[in-house]
Amino acid sequence: AQRVTQPEKLLSVFKGAPVELKCNYSYSGSPELFWYVQYSRQRLQLLLRHISRESIKGFTADLNKGETSFHLKKPFAQEEDSAMYYCALSTGANSKLTFGKGITLSVRP
Amino acid sequence: EPEVTQTPSHQVTQMGQEVILRCVPISNHLYFYWYRQILGQKVEFLVSFYNNEISEKSEIFDDQFSVERPDGSNFTLKIRSTKLEDSAMYFCAIRTANTGELFFGEGSRLTVL
Repeated sequence: AQRVTQPEKLLSVFKGAPVELKCNYSYSGSPELFWYVQYSRQRLQLLLRHISRESIKGFTADLNKGETSFHLKKPFAQEEDSAMYYCALSTGANSKLTFGKGITLSVRP
Repeated sequence: EPEVTQTPSHQVTQMGQEVILRCVPISNHLYFYWYRQILGQKVEFLVSFYNNEISEKSEIFDDQFSVERPDGSNFTLKIRSTKLEDSAMYFCAIRTANTGELFFGEGSRLTVL
């Protein structure tokens, strides 16, 4: 069975500091990895997915199959990045998402 | 961007009562999902629904739970006899045809007393 691990619950940084939110996964096949974000009192929204290899709001994430990781990074955090971030895995085109426990990112001024 | 409306936004119920949570996607979609999030815990998969049938369900989705799409529009989650541990946020999601992205509703908070 697949599993997603986000080892930290909270990351607090100052504005302008680099951010790395860790995500590790376990799955024997070829997964698709995602990062979802939930701003205060808003819905879960897709931030990025590994197959599109794009940067959204300055965030990037690279799938490292050797380390089974999909860490989310941003070189300079902004206050508006403060939110809950969830790493998620899908095993197929229409299969369910399996979520990690999420991490709260707090960016202080 | 697709829209998914969930009602009610918050429901308080007594233990043992039946609850129906509704999800209304604005445009046509084939794949529907229900997830729940107990306070302080992770988002957990409950059930997926495709072509008017359950395609996958988790161990959480026991006989007390059911889903249906009665009128081709609303997608409902019914909890037959609520327990205290059913208190959670329940999220409906649809899968978009063009990007394959899972698009979530804003959630329905269920409080069982």
